[in-house]
Amino acid sequence: QQQVKQSPQSLIVQKGGISIINCAYENTAFDYFPWYQQFPGKGPALLIAIRPDVSEKKEGRFTISFNKSAKQFSLHIMDSQPGDSATYFCAAKGNQGGKLIFGQGTELSVKP
Amino acid sequence: ETGVTQSPTHLIKTRGQQVTLRCSSQSGHNTVSWYQQALGQGPQFIFQYYREEENGRGNFPPRFSGLQFPNYSSELNVNALELDDSALYLCASSLPGSGGEQYFGPGTRLTVT
Repeated sequence: QQQVKQSPQSLIVQKGGISIINCAYENTAFDYFPWYQQFPGKGPALLIAIRPDVSEKKEGRFTISFNKSAKQFSLHIMDSQPGDSATYFCAAKGNQGGKLIFGQGTELSVKP
Repeated sequence: ETGVTQSPTHLIKTRGQQVTLRCSSQSGHNTVSWYQQALGQGPQFIFQYYREEENGRGNFPPRFSGLQFPNYSSELNVNALELDDSALYLCASSLPGSGGEQYFGPGTRLTVT
């Protein structure tokens, strides 16, 4: 019940295309859902986050869609660029404590 | 504003040894969390420190211990190192009441031989 399942494991997208990464969770006590971007040899960088009281949040080319009833959320990267090539992690946090539970990651490659 | 910093960058230890990793939190952040990231995996929560007290712990054995200092910096200590402890150790800082926003440092790459 504490797991966050992420798919796909890897993704190849053409420059200018849309990258879509999906996550699913079981624990309805989760109340915060961030996405992190990680480049090789670096720590994860907070990209965008959403709370379950909204269904969508957009920041620049990055959008989170949230479906509370299905317990799923996804990251959309519009107009994907080669510089977006990185590993993306979804995560979830419960309403008690600061523990973030991460998905397994998606390795995104954007081809020029 | 200074981000989260960690030291050392890389470390090689022998099985059975002990190691101490250090973290300085982002300016103004008084909560520090530690995560272990094995190769090709997502980070796994080790524990969190707030006001120098442990404030939540993940599924890690007692040989993983920590400290937080009055200036909010933190240490992660691992005793009796095992080969499976080889990983990237990440520190993240946050503000209580921020709703969960955690900002990660660059990590310490630990190799146990």
